[in-house]
Amino acid sequence: GQNIDQPTEMTATEGAIVQINCTYQTSGFNGLFWYQQHAGEAPTFLSYNVLDGLEEKGRFSSFLSRSKGYSYLLLKELQMKDSASYLCAVMDSNYQLIWGAGTKLIIKP
Amino acid sequence: GAVVSQHPSRVICKSGTSVKIECRSLDFQATTMFWYRQFPKQSLMLMATSNEGSKATYEQGVEKDKFLINHASLTLSTLTVTSAHPEDSSFYICSALKTGRGGQPQHFGDGTRLSIL
Repeated sequence: GQNIDQPTEMTATEGAIVQINCTYQTSGFNGLFWYQQHAGEAPTFLSYNVLDGLEEKGRFSSFLSRSKGYSYLLLKELQMKDSASYLCAVMDSNYQLIWGAGTKLIIKP
Repeated sequence: GAVVSQHPSRVICKSGTSVKIECRSLDFQATTMFWYRQFPKQSLMLMATSNEGSKATYEQGVEKDKFLINHASLTLSTLTVTSAHPEDSSFYICSALKTGRGGQPQHFGDGTRLSIL
């Protein structure tokens, strides 16, 4: 079957760094996405990795290892507005997104 | 960048009403669009895959006669919730697949919050 695993909840301190991990097993692979979702809103695109390695975009970076079925999202210089759910999703061979359950990130002052 | 417009953003209506939600790709052609549903504190669940000019493919457990999907053009897909009931209250989100070179291929609308009284 297809499976995406990520932690349910994480807590971090304002100004710190946090890494959210995601492991996956899917039928086919056409890229891995990270989305941010605030309560009651649609997901906002953060990153898309289709090749191995690290993609850096401002305070956010995303890493992919296809051989390990593993990705992480790294958030630096955390701000209170970063409190949200972070969703890992893999696009399978049919271009459908298989979603993880999301990681709720709580930022404390 | 690619833009997907979803309308309406919020609907409140009585039980038994049919509700139509539109999903438009504004600056690219999308032969494939996806419809998702998200209940509170749960992840997005794929309801169906909409392909331009052909019948939609529904996921297991999704009633095709209740959730009517029409993808009549390369820029528009509609989801109609027929005879909606309170248990259909949810957040419905569409996404459009953008093929071709460069950039990420899935673009989401802003979602529609459906509340059935």
